[in-house]
Amino acid sequence: ETGVTQSPTHLIKTRGQQVTLRCSSQSGHNTVSWYQQALGQGPQFIFQYYREEENGRGNFPPRFSGLQFPNYSSELNVNALELDDSALYLCASSLPGGYTEAFFGQGTRLTVV
Amino acid sequence: AQSVTQLGSHVSVSEGALVLLRCNYSSSVPPYLFWYVQYPNQGLQLLLKYTSAATLVKGINGFEAEFKKSETSFHLTKPSAHMSDAAEYFCAVSDQGGSEKLVFGKGTKLTVNP
Repeated sequence: ETGVTQSPTHLIKTRGQQVTLRCSSQSGHNTVSWYQQALGQGPQFIFQYYREEENGRGNFPPRFSGLQFPNYSSELNVNALELDDSALYLCASSLPGGYTEAFFGQGTRLTVV
Repeated sequence: AQSVTQLGSHVSVSEGALVLLRCNYSSSVPPYLFWYVQYPNQGLQLLLKYTSAATLVKGINGFEAEFKKSETSFHLTKPSAHMSDAAEYFCAVSDQGGSEKLVFGKGTKLTVNP
């Protein structure tokens, strides 16, 4: 059983650019959630995808968008990058419904300069 | 709206001493509560979860937590700290019936001194 993998592990972007982060969910998991973890803070929920549809969104602007593919992998896209977007972005996969555990990837460290 | 407050951003204990990490929650519905651990440069690993089956929850690595509704608390404890317990710990709450759409606290960094 493979775990949740995220790519890339680190990247540096310039303010105003666009970035795409990728996540492969754990085998059999059809729900993927994305979280932003700023330095010294807890993770904050960005949005969740279930069967290729957005299934809930946190308090993030529309320039944060996502996709989920038929194989349940997912992308997080951020347009018009701002300095405050610098953070660790975590992907978590799970099965839908109650009492299920979310398995987290190691994250992508994004630095915006 | 749900929220989680973790008291103490840093906790330092000696090896072999009791570990107590505090978490208070706010939720308008019966909550589902979780403790996660994060080691440096890694993602989050679930330690334990409360889903109303039992108020005392046992997790991995010797950790346990007790749900106290009257105090709206879910404190994490371990009787004897090991050096390998040094990490950051996050308490989280969900009202979605599972571990999706989690609301996290700001975290407590645990240091274990030899």
